[in-house]
Amino acid sequence: DIQMTQSPSSLSASVGDRVTITCRARQDISNYLAWYQQKPGKVPKLLIYAASTLQSGVPSRFSGSGSGTDFILTISSLQPEDVATYYCQKYNVVPFTFGPGTKVDIK
Amino acid sequence: QVQLQESGPGLVKPSESLSLTCTVSGTSISSHYWNWIRQPPGKGLEWIGYIYNSGNTNSNPSLKSRVTMSVDTSKKQFSLKLSSVTAADTAVYYCAGAPVYFGAWRGFDIWGQGTMVTVSS
Repeated sequence: DIQMTQSPSSLSASVGDRVTITCRARQDISNYLAWYQQKPGKVPKLLIYAASTLQSGVPSRFSGSGSGTDFILTISSLQPEDVATYYCQKYNVVPFTFGPGTKVDIK
Repeated sequence: QVQLQESGPGLVKPSESLSLTCTVSGTSISSHYWNWIRQPPGKGLEWIGYIYNSGNTNSNPSLKSRVTMSVDTSKKQFSLKLSSVTAADTAVYYCAGAPVYFGAWRGFDIWGQGTMVTVSS
């Protein structure tokens, strides 16, 4: 199984800050990577697929980049409603493993 | 709009089987690959497996021996059965759909609200 790691495990930033979250795969997964946002007590929501394609309806302050083993989720200007845990997920081959998550809150 | 709704017992005894059903509305049962994901309290997400309307399935090797999935296209439902459960199977169970275009997956864009299943005697 290809394990996924994320860093940091948590972060605290101010409103308006640029936030970056890193996801790393132990093997090349090309661009078969998705990012999800899970607000406290809520259902996960797809933000990005194919590493960099923004899901319809997702604010443009969210962006994704990377290919192969290293991927980044960027929030260009953190908003209060972005408080959530963010998960990456690989889907090149099964199992479609999720990363451990990065918890983002407001400083 | 597209909706998924999980249903099933909220309490299962150890060593018994957990059975859940997800009902699809607002879209064709053939529009997505249908997945099961779980999340233990306070922990991360674990992918369990998927099924397509053809009956084609694939599941997480860590659970494969205990997982059975089925689909009823006439009812627009798909189901999960997890056998020989223990306390470690206590989690919120989600069903989710992944659209596939020309063989390319696009992440899980539809999620049910989730159902909490507790394994306890």
